[in-house]
Amino acid sequence: DTGVSQDPRHKITKRGQNVTFRCDPISEHNRLYWYRQTLGQGPEFLTYFQNEAQLEKSRLLSDRFSAERPKGSFSTLEIQRTEQGDSAMYLCASSLPGQGGHNEQFFGPGTRLTVL
Amino acid sequence: AQSVAQPEDQVNVAEGNPLTVKCTYSVSGNPYLFWYVQYPNRGLQFLLKYITGDNLVKGSYGFEAEFNKSQTSFHLKKPSALVSDSALYFCAVSSHSGGYQKVTFGTGTKLQVIP
Repeated sequence: DTGVSQDPRHKITKRGQNVTFRCDPISEHNRLYWYRQTLGQGPEFLTYFQNEAQLEKSRLLSDRFSAERPKGSFSTLEIQRTEQGDSAMYLCASSLPGQGGHNEQFFGPGTRLTVL
Repeated sequence: AQSVAQPEDQVNVAEGNPLTVKCTYSVSGNPYLFWYVQYPNRGLQFLLKYITGDNLVKGSYGFEAEFNKSQTSFHLKKPSALVSDSALYFCAVSSHSGGYQKVTFGTGTKLQVIP
C-alpha cells in the first residue's frame, strides 16, 4: 500500500502523560499536514510542512504540541502533558503543491487518542 | 477570517434521485475549493476540486460541483444517487494568508441514500 500511513491507530493514555504519533506520507509528496477531528466536526488544521520546513501553525496548536519532519519524509506529532480535551482523532495528510500551491490532500486513517 | 459552511447536518435522498449537498465559503483572495468523502471507519478521500477555469467540475463516482463566485457557493451534486453514496461529505477551502496556505473544512454533511 503506497498511501499515507499513521501509527499507532489507537492510543489510550492517562492525563499528564506525553504521546507521540507518526505519519508516513506518500513518498513523492513534499507537503504534509496535521489535523484534529472531533466527533461531529470537520478536520481542524493544526500545522503543515513543505519538505522539512514547518510553514504554518494554527492557534489551536498550544505550546504542549510540537511537530517535526526532520528529513522531509515522515513526521511526528507530540503532545506533552495530555489533557482530556486532547481526546480526538489526529489526521495526517500529504500532497504535492499543485497549482498555486493548492492541491488535493491524501489522508491517512488517523490516530484516535483517548485521554483518561 | 476564512470559513466554510455546510448548512445541513444530514441530507436524505431516495436511490435514483438527484442529490445536492450544499457548501458556502468565505475567503479573502482566490478560493481553491474541494470536496472530500468519509466512509465509516475509513479516511477522508478526495472527490473533486475547483482551482480555476470551468465553473462546473466533475469528479470521482459521478459527482460534480458548481462553483458560483457571486453566491460564494460550491454545491456538490449527483444526477442519480446510489445507496453506496451514503457517507459523510466535507467541503474545504484553501487560500493564501500571510504567504502561507490556509485550509478550512466544513463541519460535514451526512448523506443518507434510502433504497
